[in-house]
Formats: sequence, structure tokens, C-alpha cells
Amino acid sequence: GQQVMQIPQYQHVQEGEDFTTYCNSSTTLSNIQWYKQRPGGHPVFLIQLVKSGEVKKQKRLTFQFGEAKKNSSLHITATQTTDVGTYFCGGFKTIFGAGTRLFVKA
Amino acid sequence: NAGVTQTPKFQVLKTGQSMTLQCAQDMNHNSMYWYRQDPGMGLRLIYYSASEGTTDKGEVPNGYNVSRLNKREFSLRLESAAPSQTSVYFCASSESPSISSYEQYFGPGTRLTVT
Repeated sequence: GQQVMQIPQYQHVQEGEDFTTYCNSSTTLSNIQWYKQRPGGHPVFLIQLVKSGEVKKQKRLTFQFGEAKKNSSLHITATQTTDVGTYFCGGFKTIFGAGTRLFVKA
Repeated sequence: NAGVTQTPKFQVLKTGQSMTLQCAQDMNHNSMYWYRQDPGMGLRLIYYSASEGTTDKGEVPNGYNVSRLNKREFSLRLESAAPSQTSVYFCASSESPSISSYEQYFGPGTRLTVT
């Protein structure tokens, strides 16, 4: 069946370091969404990517959609403590990766 | 504009008890969803309703039933709770499936423990 795999499961960084999470699908995606969930909170939509090779930026966050539309990445430059949380990718509309939990040490 | 609301926020049940989780949205969205979230498992779809009057099973529907009461409300019922249903339950909504954006708006969640 359709699956979305996400790596790494956890990432510990020092504040100011960069962070990247990767999302891979077993089949081609028509689009992909990224969500952030703060500890104890609910998922909040960040962005949707639709086009092959698409790159979108939101301040320190850079989102990429692979050329084959089977993978995506989220890169955070110079992490801050406010970036703490779990980042999920979503594909096939209702299938989500298990998430990457980001810990930031001040 | 409250977005997506869920009640209750917390619940403890004994094995075999039943309960209904309530969800409502005020964004005039057509589609609504119920997910469960377990540690290390991410979000898994239980049931969804593409539009008022329709419901469909998701990835993990066993042990659950749903009702799309009207366009605003989508409830999830546990008929006979089991410890394996201990989880955090999220309701979500989105615009019509025919629209290209799949952005989902999530409620605050219900933390359910079954003993």
C-alpha cells in the first residue's frame, strides 16, 4: 500500500545548528504537505508542495519536492528553541510519516 | 472563529465502557477526519467524511464508528473500549476534495486512557 517514511525519528541539535528531515514515498505523490506539532499540541499546517523540483521558503525553513515527486525535505537554518517539536510530512492526503522530533539545546 | 473544537480534552475509561468523542468545525469545510496518534506511529486515519452524508473507513477503523451529524459535526464512537485504544485522538477538517489544497486544520485533541 501507499506509505510515507520519514527520517530521522529524532534529532538533537545545539541552538544555531541546521536541521533537515526527509520524507520518502513508495509511489509518486501528487503533492506533499508539511506540518509542525509542538509538544502537547496539535499538528499545524506549514506548507504544500505540488510541482516537481519545487522549492519554497518560509523565513529559516526551506522545503523541497523531489524531481520524481517521491521524496521531500524540510531544512531549518540556524535552529532556535522555538523550532522544538515534531515535523510531519503528509502525502496521499491522509497518510502521514511518523514524524521527526526536533530537540534544540540552548 | 474557533476553527476545530473537540470534546472532551481528557477521558479515562474502563475496558468495555463506551463513549463518543465530539468534533465541530466552523469553517464551512466539506471534509472531516478522525486520526489517532500513538508514540512513534504518527497520525493514522480512523474514518473520514468527504462530504455531509458520507463516511468511509481509513487505515485503522476496527472498534470505532462515526456519524457525520451535519456539515459542522463529526463524532467518533467507541462501543466497547479496549486498552489498545489508549491514544490521542485528533479531528481535522479540510475544504472540498475537489480543491487542490489538502491543508487540514486540526482540533486540540482528546487524550483517552483505557484501563
